[in-house]
Amino acid sequence: DAGVIQSPRHEVTEMGQEVTLRCKPISGHNSLFWYRQTMMRGLELLIYFNNNVPIDDSGMPEDRFSAKMPNASFSTLKIQPSEPRDSAVYFCASTTRLAGIVSEQFFGPGTRLTVL
Amino acid sequence: AQTVTQSQPEMSVQEAETVTLSCTYDTSESDYYLFWYKQPPSRQMILVIRQEAYKQQNATENRFSVNFQKAAKSFSLKISDSQLGDAAMYFCAYRRGGATNKLIFGTGTLLAVQP
Repeated sequence: DAGVIQSPRHEVTEMGQEVTLRCKPISGHNSLFWYRQTMMRGLELLIYFNNNVPIDDSGMPEDRFSAKMPNASFSTLKIQPSEPRDSAVYFCASTTRLAGIVSEQFFGPGTRLTVL
Repeated sequence: AQTVTQSQPEMSVQEAETVTLSCTYDTSESDYYLFWYKQPPSRQMILVIRQEAYKQQNATENRFSVNFQKAAKSFSLKISDSQLGDAAMYFCAYRRGGATNKLIFGTGTLLAVQP
């Protein structure tokens, strides 16, 4: 199993540019999560999907952030326009959501985003 | 709202010794789960151990064990026979029971292992 795959691993962009982060969950997992990690705020959940449907996007900081999951094997997190304060490591995680079963969240390697 | 607090930003332990990392949480729920994740310099988040709130027995995984005190809302991680590879950031996390799988993380404890 390849695990959760994220791309790119590193992204450096200039303020105002559009940034798209990509995630491929583990095959068969039906829940997907986007987290952001910064020194100031630690690890925080941005949004999560169950069966490709967004369930909780209360962590999305503002309208500049959007996330999609067009199918079970792919999700994107887009920032438009990007700002220096968006610089962080963005993690994608996936798990299996089944009634009565607590399953582990498997994390991807993260994307380190730097906005200049 | 649920919160997770790790009061030790940094800890240090000698190789082969034992160290305990602290975590407290706040919740009004009775059904929940607690986790410890390890994040080495590679940034990869790795699950170390988990505890179901309904279980009285403390979870153990090889050299890793927890002290789960439900009434005190405390969930500490004990690492025995510390190894150089244990050096990492450790995060305590909470997950409410039921349909949601949302994890709430503490701020982390950076563990250094001295040779």
